[in-house]
Amino acid sequence: ETGVTQSPTHLIKTRGQQVTLRCSSQSGHNTVSWYQQALGQGPQFIFQYYREEENGRGNFPPRFSGLQFPNYSSELNVNALELDDSALYLCASGIYNEQFFGPGTRLTVL
Amino acid sequence: AQKITQTQPGMFVQEKEAVTLDCTYDTSDPSYGLFWYKQPSSGEMIFLIYQGSYDQQNATEGRYSLNFQKARKSANLVISASQLGDSAMYFCAMREGRTGNQFYFGTGTSLTVIP
Repeated sequence: ETGVTQSPTHLIKTRGQQVTLRCSSQSGHNTVSWYQQALGQGPQFIFQYYREEENGRGNFPPRFSGLQFPNYSSELNVNALELDDSALYLCASGIYNEQFFGPGTRLTVL
Repeated sequence: AQKITQTQPGMFVQEKEAVTLDCTYDTSDPSYGLFWYKQPSSGEMIFLIYQGSYDQQNATEGRYSLNFQKARKSANLVISASQLGDSAMYFCAMREGRTGNQFYFGTGTSLTVIP
C-alpha cells in the first residue's frame, strides 16, 4: 500500500472525446507526477506538479493538462482523444527522492 | 540516446535461486538517483530499491541488492532466493540531479520464477 489512489480503474472512450483521470496522494507529498505507460513499454513522463504549479513536462502535446489541489488530489485531463492515447496512466507522489505510484487507470480509446 | 537501457526482455529463474536483472544508464549529470520498481500484472509500480550516485556502498533491501558500477554506468538488480511471487515486470529508472522532476524508465524485464 503506497497511500496513492487513482480513479477510475478502467475507462473506455471514443476518439475525439475528453477524459479526466484523478489521483489522491498521501498527505505531505508536495509533488505529483503523471506517467503514460503504453502496452509493453516503460512509463513515460507527462508532467509534474509542485505546490499546484506545473514543474516540468515531458514530450506530450498541450491537450494533456493537469491540476493539483491543496488537498493532495490531482487531475490529468486529455482533450481530443486519439487511439494512441490508449495506455495505463500512472500517478506518482512523493517528497525528494521518493516517488510512490498509484495502481493506475487503464484508458482504452476506440 | 536512451537514458535507461534494459537489454533482457524476459528472464527465467528457478525458485530459491538468485537472478540478476541488467540496467545501464546514460547521464552527464554527476548527481543522479537510480531506482528499481516491480510491476505485477495488476499494474501498480512497487518501489524496491534506491541508489544515489554519491553513495559509497551498494544498496540492499532484504532480498534485493543493487550492483552499482559507476564507471560502467550500470545498476543491476540482484534478487536472492527467488520466490514465485517475484514473477513480474521489473523496471529500472533514473532521476537526474538532486531534485530532478522526472523519472526516466527502461523498457522493463519480465521475470518468471519457475517452481
